[in-house]
Amino acid sequence: GAVVSQHPSRVICKSGTSVKIECRSLDFQATTMFWYRQFPKQSLMLMATSNEGSKATYEQGVEKDKFLINHASLTLSTLTVTSAHPEDSSFYICSASSGGRETQYFGPGTRLLVL
Amino acid sequence: RKEVEQDPGPFNVPEGATVAFNCTYSNSASQSFFWYRQDCRKEPKLLMSVYSSGNEDGRFTAQLNRASQYISLLIRDSKLSDSATYLCVVTRGGGADGLTFGKGTHLIIQP
Repeated sequence: GAVVSQHPSRVICKSGTSVKIECRSLDFQATTMFWYRQFPKQSLMLMATSNEGSKATYEQGVEKDKFLINHASLTLSTLTVTSAHPEDSSFYICSASSGGRETQYFGPGTRLLVL
Repeated sequence: RKEVEQDPGPFNVPEGATVAFNCTYSNSASQSFFWYRQDCRKEPKLLMSVYSSGNEDGRFTAQLNRASQYISLLIRDSKLSDSATYLCVVTRGGGADGLTFGKGTHLIIQP
Protein backbone atom coordinates (compact mmCIF):
# COMPACT_ATOMS: atom_id res chain seq x y z
CA GLY A 1 0.00 0.00 0.00
CA ALA A 2 0.94 3.66 -0.29
CA VAL A 3 3.25 4.91 2.43
CA VAL A 4 3.55 8.46 3.68
CA SER A 5 6.22 9.49 6.14
CA GLN A 6 6.52 12.57 8.30
CA HIS A 7 9.53 14.04 9.99
CA PRO A 8 10.06 14.81 12.77
CA SER A 9 7.60 12.70 14.72
CA ARG A 10 7.88 14.94 17.71
CA VAL A 11 9.33 18.38 18.32
CA ILE A 12 9.60 20.63 21.32
CA CYS A 13 10.63 24.22 20.73
CA LYS A 14 10.69 27.58 22.40
CA SER A 15 8.11 30.21 21.66
CA GLY A 16 9.12 32.38 18.73
CA THR A 17 11.09 29.76 16.83
CA SER A 18 10.11 28.28 13.49
CA VAL A 19 9.52 24.60 12.97
CA LYS A 20 9.57 22.73 9.66
CA ILE A 21 7.66 19.48 9.19
CA GLU A 22 8.29 17.29 6.17
CA CYS A 23 5.77 15.00 4.54
CA ARG A 24 6.96 12.47 1.98
CA SER A 25 5.15 9.96 -0.20
CA LEU A 26 7.55 7.04 -0.35
CA ASP A 27 6.19 4.85 -3.11
CA PHE A 28 3.85 6.99 -5.18
CA GLN A 29 3.64 10.43 -6.68
CA ALA A 30 1.46 12.70 -4.60
CA THR A 31 -0.15 15.27 -6.84
CA THR A 32 -2.07 16.65 -3.88
CA MET A 33 -1.05 16.86 -0.26
CA PHE A 34 -3.19 17.97 2.65
CA TRP A 35 -2.21 19.31 6.03
CA TYR A 36 -4.45 18.70 9.02
CA ARG A 37 -4.23 19.66 12.66
CA GLN A 38 -5.79 17.92 15.64
CA PHE A 39 -6.08 19.43 19.09
CA PRO A 40 -6.74 17.10 22.07
CA LYS A 41 -10.21 15.55 21.99
CA GLN A 42 -11.01 17.43 18.79
CA SER A 43 -11.49 16.28 15.23
CA LEU A 44 -8.84 16.60 12.57
CA MET A 45 -9.22 19.94 10.86
CA LEU A 46 -8.02 20.62 7.37
CA MET A 47 -5.55 23.50 7.31
CA ALA A 48 -4.55 23.64 3.67
CA THR A 49 -4.44 21.77 0.40
CA SER A 50 -1.39 21.89 -1.82
CA ASN A 51 -0.93 20.74 -5.37
CA GLU A 52 2.56 20.14 -6.67
CA GLY A 53 4.05 23.23 -8.19
CA SER A 54 1.31 25.64 -7.18
CA LYS A 55 0.42 27.73 -4.16
CA ALA A 56 -1.42 26.10 -1.31
CA THR A 57 -5.09 26.79 -0.68
CA TYR A 58 -5.69 27.63 2.95
CA GLU A 59 -8.85 27.05 4.93
CA GLN A 60 -10.67 29.95 6.47
CA GLY A 61 -9.01 31.03 9.70
CA VAL A 62 -5.61 29.53 8.87
CA GLU A 63 -2.95 32.20 8.45
CA LYS A 64 -0.94 31.55 5.32
CA ASP A 65 1.93 33.72 6.51
CA LYS A 66 2.22 31.73 9.69
CA PHE A 67 1.85 28.26 8.20
CA LEU A 68 4.06 28.20 5.13
CA ILE A 69 3.48 25.29 2.82
CA ASN A 70 5.78 24.23 0.03
CA HIS A 71 5.04 21.37 -2.36
CA ALA A 72 7.98 21.56 -4.69
CA SER A 73 8.03 17.95 -5.83
CA LEU A 74 5.62 15.07 -6.29
CA THR A 75 6.97 13.34 -3.22
CA LEU A 76 7.60 16.11 -0.73
CA SER A 77 5.58 18.81 0.98
CA THR A 78 6.75 20.89 3.91
CA LEU A 79 4.83 22.84 6.52
CA THR A 80 6.73 25.53 8.38
CA VAL A 81 5.18 26.95 11.51
CA THR A 82 6.76 30.38 11.77
CA SER A 83 7.23 32.11 15.11
CA ALA A 84 5.49 29.30 16.91
CA HIS A 85 3.50 30.04 20.06
CA PRO A 86 2.13 27.72 22.74
CA GLU A 87 -1.33 27.80 21.14
CA ASP A 88 0.23 26.21 18.02
CA SER A 89 0.99 23.09 20.04
CA SER A 90 -0.93 20.34 18.30
CA PHE A 91 -0.77 17.12 16.31
CA TYR A 92 -0.02 17.96 12.68
CA ILE A 93 -0.84 15.26 10.13
CA CYS A 94 -0.29 15.28 6.40
CA SER A 95 -1.99 13.14 3.82
CA ALA A 96 -1.36 12.57 0.16
CA SER A 97 -3.41 11.53 -2.81
CA SER A 98 -2.54 10.77 -6.38
CA GLY A 99 -4.08 11.59 -9.73
CA GLY A 100 -7.23 13.22 -8.38
CA ARG A 101 -8.28 10.07 -6.57
CA GLU A 102 -10.32 10.42 -3.40
CA THR A 103 -8.26 8.06 -1.26
CA GLN A 104 -5.86 9.88 1.02
CA TYR A 105 -2.92 8.21 2.69
CA PHE A 106 -1.96 9.66 6.02
CA GLY A 107 1.45 10.22 7.50
CA PRO A 108 2.10 9.21 11.12
CA GLY A 109 1.81 12.79 12.34
CA THR A 110 4.06 15.24 14.13
CA ARG A 111 3.48 16.30 17.71
CA LEU A 112 4.50 19.88 18.23
CA LEU A 113 4.91 21.31 21.70
CA VAL A 114 5.77 24.98 21.97
CA LEU A 115 7.00 26.08 25.37
CA ARG B 1 -25.05 22.22 12.91
CA LYS B 2 -21.66 20.48 12.91
CA GLU B 3 -20.46 19.30 9.52
CA VAL B 4 -20.06 15.72 10.68
CA GLU B 5 -21.74 14.72 13.89
CA GLN B 6 -21.03 11.60 15.91
CA ASP B 7 -21.83 10.36 19.37
CA PRO B 8 -18.47 10.61 21.15
CA GLY B 9 -19.21 7.68 23.47
CA PRO B 10 -17.44 5.94 25.02
CA PHE B 11 -19.20 2.76 24.07
CA ASN B 12 -18.22 0.00 26.49
CA VAL B 13 -18.99 -3.31 24.85
CA PRO B 14 -18.19 -6.90 25.90
CA GLU B 15 -15.97 -8.92 23.62
CA GLY B 16 -18.00 -10.81 21.05
CA ALA B 17 -20.89 -8.38 21.03
CA THR B 18 -22.19 -6.42 18.06
CA VAL B 19 -21.93 -2.66 18.15
CA ALA B 20 -23.26 0.01 15.81
CA PHE B 21 -22.21 3.62 15.29
CA ASN B 22 -23.93 6.32 13.33
CA CYS B 23 -23.08 9.72 12.05
CA THR B 24 -24.81 12.50 10.18
CA TYR B 25 -23.28 14.99 7.80
CA SER B 26 -24.48 18.38 6.66
CA ASN B 27 -22.72 18.94 3.34
CA SER B 28 -24.99 17.65 0.61
CA ALA B 29 -22.15 18.15 -1.90
CA SER B 30 -20.09 15.40 -0.27
CA GLN B 31 -19.57 12.60 -2.72
CA SER B 32 -17.47 10.06 -0.88
CA PHE B 33 -17.75 8.67 2.60
CA PHE B 34 -15.47 6.69 4.82
CA TRP B 35 -14.94 5.21 8.22
CA TYR B 36 -11.47 5.69 9.65
CA ARG B 37 -10.03 4.23 12.79
CA GLN B 38 -7.72 6.21 15.03
CA ASP B 39 -5.77 4.70 17.87
CA CYS B 40 -4.58 6.86 20.74
CA ARG B 41 -1.98 9.41 19.61
CA LYS B 42 -1.73 7.88 16.14
CA GLU B 43 -2.75 8.92 12.66
CA PRO B 44 -6.17 7.87 11.29
CA LYS B 45 -6.23 4.71 9.21
CA LEU B 46 -8.84 3.95 6.57
CA LEU B 47 -11.19 1.23 7.73
CA MET B 48 -13.55 1.21 4.77
CA SER B 49 -15.32 3.31 2.21
CA VAL B 50 -19.09 3.57 2.46
CA TYR B 51 -21.51 3.11 -0.42
CA SER B 52 -25.26 3.57 -0.75
CA SER B 53 -25.64 -0.08 -1.60
CA GLY B 54 -23.98 -1.00 1.67
CA ASN B 55 -20.70 -2.80 1.87
CA GLU B 56 -19.17 -5.42 4.07
CA ASP B 57 -15.58 -6.20 4.95
CA GLY B 58 -15.31 -9.17 7.23
CA ARG B 59 -16.94 -8.26 10.54
CA PHE B 60 -17.54 -4.68 9.45
CA THR B 61 -20.60 -3.45 7.57
CA ALA B 62 -21.10 0.14 6.47
CA GLN B 63 -24.18 1.81 5.08
CA LEU B 64 -24.92 5.19 3.57
CA ASN B 65 -28.29 6.90 3.32
CA ARG B 66 -27.83 9.91 1.08
CA ALA B 67 -31.38 11.16 1.49
CA SER B 68 -31.00 11.34 5.27
CA GLN B 69 -27.29 12.19 5.10
CA TYR B 70 -26.64 9.39 7.52
CA ILE B 71 -23.81 6.86 7.70
CA SER B 72 -23.57 3.77 9.84
CA LEU B 73 -20.96 1.22 10.85
CA LEU B 74 -21.71 -2.19 12.34
CA ILE B 75 -19.06 -4.32 13.99
CA ARG B 76 -19.93 -7.94 14.63
CA ASP B 77 -18.16 -10.35 16.98
CA SER B 78 -16.11 -7.51 18.42
CA LYS B 79 -12.50 -8.16 19.41
CA LEU B 80 -10.34 -6.48 22.00
CA SER B 81 -8.26 -5.06 19.16
CA ASP B 82 -11.30 -3.19 17.88
CA SER B 83 -10.92 -0.75 20.78
CA ALA B 84 -10.21 2.60 19.13
CA THR B 85 -11.87 5.82 18.06
CA TYR B 86 -13.93 5.48 14.89
CA LEU B 87 -14.05 8.56 12.70
CA CYS B 88 -16.84 9.28 10.27
CA VAL B 89 -15.32 11.10 7.30
CA VAL B 90 -16.81 12.76 4.24
CA THR B 91 -15.26 14.53 1.31
CA ARG B 92 -15.87 18.24 1.01
CA GLY B 93 -16.93 17.75 -2.58
CA GLY B 94 -15.54 15.16 -4.90
CA GLY B 95 -12.28 14.01 -6.41
CA ALA B 96 -9.23 15.13 -4.49
CA ASP B 97 -10.94 17.54 -2.12
CA GLY B 98 -10.00 17.63 1.51
CA LEU B 99 -11.80 15.53 4.06
CA THR B 100 -14.11 16.60 6.85
CA PHE B 101 -13.76 14.50 9.96
CA GLY B 102 -16.18 13.86 12.76
CA LYS B 103 -14.83 13.97 16.30
CA GLY B 104 -15.04 10.25 16.50
CA THR B 105 -16.79 7.64 18.59
CA HIS B 106 -14.67 6.01 21.25
CA LEU B 107 -15.14 2.24 21.50
CA ILE B 108 -13.84 0.13 24.36
CA ILE B 109 -14.12 -3.63 24.05
CA GLN B 110 -14.04 -5.29 27.43
CA PRO B 111 -12.83 -8.85 28.00
